[in-house]
Amino acid sequence: GAGVSQSPSNKVTEKGKDVELRCDPISGHTALYWYRQSLGQGLEFLIYFQGNSAPDKSGLPSDRFSAERTGGSVSTLTIQRTQQEDSAVYLCASSFDAGAQYFGPGTRLTVL
Amino acid sequence: GEDVEQSLFLSVREGDSSVINCTYTDSSSTYLYWYKQEPGAGLQLLTYIFSNMDMKQDQRLTVLLNKKDKHLSLRIADTQTGDSAIYFCAEKGNTGKLIFGQGTTLQVKP
Repeated sequence: GAGVSQSPSNKVTEKGKDVELRCDPISGHTALYWYRQSLGQGLEFLIYFQGNSAPDKSGLPSDRFSAERTGGSVSTLTIQRTQQEDSAVYLCASSFDAGAQYFGPGTRLTVL
Repeated sequence: GEDVEQSLFLSVREGDSSVINCTYTDSSSTYLYWYKQEPGAGLQLLTYIFSNMDMKQDQRLTVLLNKKDKHLSLRIADTQTGDSAIYFCAEKGNTGKLIFGQGTTLQVKP
């Protein structure tokens, strides 16, 4: 079946602009996770959804970052007023309840 | 706190076995995972082990877990050039999030 998909695959934006990153989880997966991967920080957890609610937002780096999930499916990660340090690959993963997490291909964000 | 450590680089000859090591700190972790990342790609789940197991074998992959020492290893038998990638060890934190090591780059020489 289809895996986790993310769009866009690449995004180049100017400092100060807002960006939206989208994640389509595996059909039927109840849990959805956002991580980011950067050279300096490695792989970092951002936020976790169970259904449409987010029990753990502890990894969001600042209030410029927000995420939502609707219909227990698609999730959008929004970064407002982007900064150069936001440049990274943003990875989404989904799982059935607390099972193994399957990752999408990521969105590479470059902030100029 | 939760922390995962891995060595950064391993080089082997094609056909040899590779052993990638990992240590973790959270003794309450229920599952431990190995992921593979090829250049420009996302993370591919390779295998995982439940914390009450000592060993798990899956084709060329063997995972060993020493819970007392909080040490996890991944052995790849008969390593091939297609195994060249970055390998990440991860523990599952208390809210389900994964805590990753820095990744081990495996270089396979022909």
